[in-house]
Amino acid sequence: KAGVTQTPRYLIKTRGQQVTLSCSPISGHRSVSWYQQTPGQGLQFLFEYFSETQRNKGNFPGRFSGRQFSNSRSEMNVSTLELGDSALYLCASSEDNEQFFGPGTRLTVL
Amino acid sequence: GQSLEQPSEVTAVEGAIVQINCTYQTSGFYGLSWYQQHDGGAPTFLSYNALDGLEETGRFSSFLSRSDSYGYLLLQELQMKDSASYFCAVSGAGNTPLVFGKGTRLSVIA
Repeated sequence: KAGVTQTPRYLIKTRGQQVTLSCSPISGHRSVSWYQQTPGQGLQFLFEYFSETQRNKGNFPGRFSGRQFSNSRSEMNVSTLELGDSALYLCASSEDNEQFFGPGTRLTVL
Repeated sequence: GQSLEQPSEVTAVEGAIVQINCTYQTSGFYGLSWYQQHDGGAPTFLSYNALDGLEETGRFSSFLSRSDSYGYLLLQELQMKDSASYFCAVSGAGNTPLVFGKGTRLSVIA
């Protein structure tokens, strides 16, 4: 099976812009979770989607949103970008008790 | 809420054994996972413990004590390629999301 894919891999934006990141889970996986990773902060949970419904949401402002499509592909959107949004954004699809991570999207906000 | 504590850095010699501890506080505990992440890479699953005791997978073992809210990852016969960050993560009952620790950066030296 193909692994989790994320596009784009790298992105540079300026403050105030918005960005959309995409994630395709492993075939057959219906759960997709998104994480933000910054140096020294570990992986902070953003949200989880299951069968097109947001099942869990982390403690992030409303500028962060997401959705999931019927084919389980997921997108996350960040509006009105701030410098502090610069991070690696990881998505993961899960099966049983294991999460399979994509390579991430490295977002730099200037 | 949930919180996890793990050392931020550990250094060990090639061929030696190292133990990375993780203590957690959680309102509802289901299991403890460990993930490895090399620089520039995605986290990859190492192990999952739901019951007390030691689980062994090759050179890596993971231990859980539910009564002590404590677990550890044991790496034996350390190799240079084991230099990476290691994250513990707790899962709660139902469909609650994984909560990750901030990670332990392991450096293996010759």
